[in-house]
Order: sequence, then structure tokens, then C-alpha cells
Amino acid sequence: AQKVTQAQTEISVVEKEDVTLDCVYETRDTTYYLFWYKQPPSGELVFLIRRNSFDEQNEISGRYSWNFQKSTSSFNFTITASQVVDSAVYFCALRRGGSNYKLTFGKGTLLTVNP
Amino acid sequence: DGGITQSPKYLFRKEGQNVTLSCEQNLNHDAMYWYRQDPGQGLRLIYYSQIVNDFQKGDIAEGYSVSREKKESFPLTVTSAQKNPTAFYLCASSKGDTGGTSLSNQPQHFGDGTRLSIL
Repeated sequence: AQKVTQAQTEISVVEKEDVTLDCVYETRDTTYYLFWYKQPPSGELVFLIRRNSFDEQNEISGRYSWNFQKSTSSFNFTITASQVVDSAVYFCALRRGGSNYKLTFGKGTLLTVNP
Repeated sequence: DGGITQSPKYLFRKEGQNVTLSCEQNLNHDAMYWYRQDPGQGLRLIYYSQIVNDFQKGDIAEGYSVSREKKESFPLTVTSAQKNPTAFYLCASSKGDTGGTSLSNQPQHFGDGTRLSIL
């Protein structure tokens, strides 16, 4: 069975602070894919990043960076110099390889960035 | 612009009534999905369809039904058998397998959601 755990239910920071959202996953598959999505108050989920299980390179995109470590089954997300517009619920998700399209989501982390 | 359109944005259901949520996409995606979101529960998969005229149950399919008669459309019916329908419903789509090559790493793209409540 697959499982995604986002232990932080809510995080509150002040603008310009750095913040890291944790994601720990469980799977018995050797090939799998990890995703992060952002859900602003409007409700739509916005795709942020995809990572393959065989590619452990960390990635940086502007103020966003992701740290994938298979040894600890973690795929953490860091926002540098946070802004008020970053306030949203962030979901980590896991999908098996092959033709099974099912995504397993974590319960999400509500990030509030205060001015 | 390509995207996923869900309607209506808000929907109210009376006791014993079936209601249908619309989901249309013009992304030419093969696969479509319905999720239910409850506070503190994350997203749970209701049904998904990998190709026209075919669909599979997800983790919480009881009380729901779907159809996939057209590639662009994947409506979800919340039946009277669903005793706790109040939730936020999200539709998604993604590219599917083509020519034997798995594209299951393709991200799912989501609509804006429909919020269903009981009157």
C-alpha cells in the first residue's frame, strides 16, 4: 500500500522567512513519481513539480526548491523569502509507475504567510 | 486557452435527489479523474477513466456514478445513496499511455472545483 504523510498540518510565517514543507512517503515500488501541488483559496490545484524515483537531483525554480532523498523516503519543499501570495494549502502526492494512474495524496499543509 | 472547466461552482442537493457535476477538458487528455476533498482529509479518488467508454472505481466510489461517452467530458453523478455528499469535488485530467509508452508520470491538471452542499 502507498502512503503519503505531511506531518505539518499548519505553518505560519512572516513574509521573507524561509519555510520548509515536509513530505514522507511509503511505497514498495522501485519506480514511482512524486508531485507537489498548490491549492490557493480559489480551490484549483496547481501543479508545481514532478520527480521520478530514479532521479534524486534536487531542483530549484526561482524561490522554490525541492529536496528528494530516497534514503529517508522524503520529498521536502522549501520556499525561500516567502511572500503573502504563497499562502495556500500544499499537497504532496505519490503515483506508482506503469499504467496505474492513481495518485495518493497527503492531507496537505496549510501555509499562511503574514505581512 | 486549454483547460478544465467544472460546473456549477456551487451546487445544493435535496434529500433523495441525484445531482450531476460537469467536467469538460479541451487539453486532448486521455485520462480523467474525480476527487473528493473534505477538510483535513486531503483528496480521495472517486472514479477515473483512462479512455473513452471505460472507467474504474477509485477508493470511495460508493454512492457515485460516472460516464465517459466523449473524450472531453467526464460527468459525475452523486446519487441519493451517497449519505454524506457535502464536500468539494475536483476533476482532473492527464495524458495517458500512447503507443505502448507509459506516460503515467504525467501530472494531472485540475479544474476549479464544485462545492456541493445539502439543503
